[in-house]
Amino acid sequence: DTGVSQNPRHKITKRGQNVTFRCDPISEHNRLYWYRQTLGQGPEFLTYFQNEAQLEKSRLLSDRFSAERPKGSFSTLEIQRTEQGDSAMYLCASSLVQGSEQFFGPGTRLTVL
Amino acid sequence: QQQVKQSPQSLIVQKGGISIINCAYENTAFDYFPWYQQFPGKGPALLIAIRPDVSEKKEGRFTISFNKSAKQFSLHIMDSQPGDSATYFCAASSNTGTASKLTFGTGTRLQVTL
Repeated sequence: DTGVSQNPRHKITKRGQNVTFRCDPISEHNRLYWYRQTLGQGPEFLTYFQNEAQLEKSRLLSDRFSAERPKGSFSTLEIQRTEQGDSAMYLCASSLVQGSEQFFGPGTRLTVL
Repeated sequence: QQQVKQSPQSLIVQKGGISIINCAYENTAFDYFPWYQQFPGKGPALLIAIRPDVSEKKEGRFTISFNKSAKQFSLHIMDSQPGDSATYFCAASSNTGTASKLTFGTGTRLQVTL
């Protein structure tokens, strides 16, 4: 399978715990995006990487959130001190270059109890 | 501020009918308009996309119509099938900056009945 993969697919955690999600983009895709989708809404942009450089962060990305793409391949999204409002589907997408199609992974569904 | 407005919120169409979903945008810098299909528990899948240099694009049963002056675009699904039942999202992005981040509409839940 050469699509975007995300792990884990589901994560249930207690409020205050830290969680980390992983995204593996399509091979050779330089751009990697993180979005968040709450129930009944469209995805909302969080941040994106051009290779290993994080070039833009949405104001939705509070300082409890951090994302990395250390070698320009896979990316991780960490949420510290989770809150119930963090419960959502976290989606990763990748594209070959600027302006080309973005392909999404299956998402990680986070539930904060 | 919602930059991409999508309607209707839900749609029921009989098998074989035409499904039409509309979107309007505000940001004149947008220059790329994709449509995504999403099934429950899955990530969005790219269906078809258009750039403002053309007014229509067709791929199989799916057609995008684009009206630049009205800042509107729509998805037409011809010969709708039960397997088309899903949530559809329009989106838009600008490539004049560096991000090309997608701004999504709120989605249309399509149900195709037998």
